[in-house]
Amino acid sequence: DQQVKQNSPSLSVQEGRISILNCDYTNSMFDYFLWYKKYPAEGPTFLISISSIKDKNEDGRFTVFLNKSAKHLSLHIVPSQPGDSAVYFCAASRGTGNQFYFGTGTSLTVIP
Amino acid sequence: EAQVTQNPRYLITVTGKKLTVTCSQNMNHEYMSWYRQDPGLGLRQIYYSMNVEVTDKGDVPEGYKVSRKEKRNFPLILESPSPNQTSLYFCASSLSGGQGSGYTFGSGTRLTVV
Repeated sequence: DQQVKQNSPSLSVQEGRISILNCDYTNSMFDYFLWYKKYPAEGPTFLISISSIKDKNEDGRFTVFLNKSAKHLSLHIVPSQPGDSAVYFCAASRGTGNQFYFGTGTSLTVIP
Repeated sequence: EAQVTQNPRYLITVTGKKLTVTCSQNMNHEYMSWYRQDPGLGLRQIYYSMNVEVTDKGDVPEGYKVSRKEKRNFPLILESPSPNQTSLYFCASSLSGGQGSGYTFGSGTRLTVV
């Protein structure tokens, strides 16, 4: 049973516009969430994280929003650049070092 | 350079022939983990380790073994591989169990079992 879901397998966005990637989870005990970016033939690369005590975390062009009541998080990329084209995974865990659950990924294409 | 190194990158083997995929990190990380990636299923955790001699099962541990005798190494062992273990495998390590800067992943091992 998939505890972390990314319902959009793909997304295309024009360069300079906002990319919004969504993620839903089912386990209310999750308290830490991460986003990873993955290029072909490489391992995932950590992008940004958020703990459940916050509802927003920002790092440059990347912002993650957490809505605990809806069990939903989103990643905003503004402005989108062609180099952002990759597969994005969200992941969730309960506590430190414990089991991490990943979504199935969203493939983002930023069109120049 | 800080990194997680997996070997081999590609492996084709036959059903039932024991194999080991090695993983080594040079960042003195406490936490290490193995994942497999399959189409439509994303990344699923196989085993994780919080320290030397401390390991625990992830989501899909059946058919796999791990050991953590030293902090830097976390090999994945398939005692009797089967075709359903054909997958892309990633090893990862973290200083803080995924908090802060998350896990650092290796480049992956593509395993085919025929």
